[in-house]
Amino acid sequence: EAGVAQSPRYKIIEKRQSVAFWCNPISGHATLYWYQQILGQGPKLLIQFQNNGVVDDSQLPKDRFSAERLKGVDSTLKIQPAKLEDSAVYLCASSLGDTWGETQYFGPGTRLLVL
Amino acid sequence: GENVEQHPSTLSVQEGDSAVIKCTYSDSASNYFPWYKQELGKGPQLIIDIRSNVGEKKDQRIAVTLNKTAKHFSLHITETQPEDSAVYFCAASEGGADGLTFGKGTHLIIQP
Repeated sequence: EAGVAQSPRYKIIEKRQSVAFWCNPISGHATLYWYQQILGQGPKLLIQFQNNGVVDDSQLPKDRFSAERLKGVDSTLKIQPAKLEDSAVYLCASSLGDTWGETQYFGPGTRLLVL
Repeated sequence: GENVEQHPSTLSVQEGDSAVIKCTYSDSASNYFPWYKQELGKGPQLIIDIRSNVGEKKDQRIAVTLNKTAKHFSLHITETQPEDSAVYFCAASEGGADGLTFGKGTHLIIQP
């Protein structure tokens, strides 16, 4: 079974530039999550989709971050404009999303460095 | 919202010895508690999880215990091996499709 795919793996940009990350979840997984992991910390949930609808985006900095999940499969996360403090690993995860399918499977992440 | 505290931040043990990592959570509504292992340059990988209707779960050298009254849960690794060296994260959620709240992680170092 193929895992969660993310691209690019690495990205270096200057502050005030924009950047986009892509995620392809495990086939059949209804729920997709984006987490931000700052160096030395645990992942923090940014946004959660159930199919193509947003379930929770309470921790997403909406003035600069946006995300979409068209057709309930792939998802993109965008930052515009980027700040120095956005340097982090952006992890995508997916799950079946029901009581007995709680396990979240993570992709390898996209490492973003903002200069 | 939920808050998860994890200790210690770094743990160094001799190969073959046991390692214990402890977490506490704040939200009494949480009932799903997974543990993830993260190796350098990789995404977190689930190693074991426990639900609130169970007090203990074991999978070979790994075990997790949960005390809902005290709101704490622990990861136990026995007979540690060099490949156990990694960062371990505990997490909590209300279960189902809910997002996870993670602890800050424990860097486990296995000394040969």
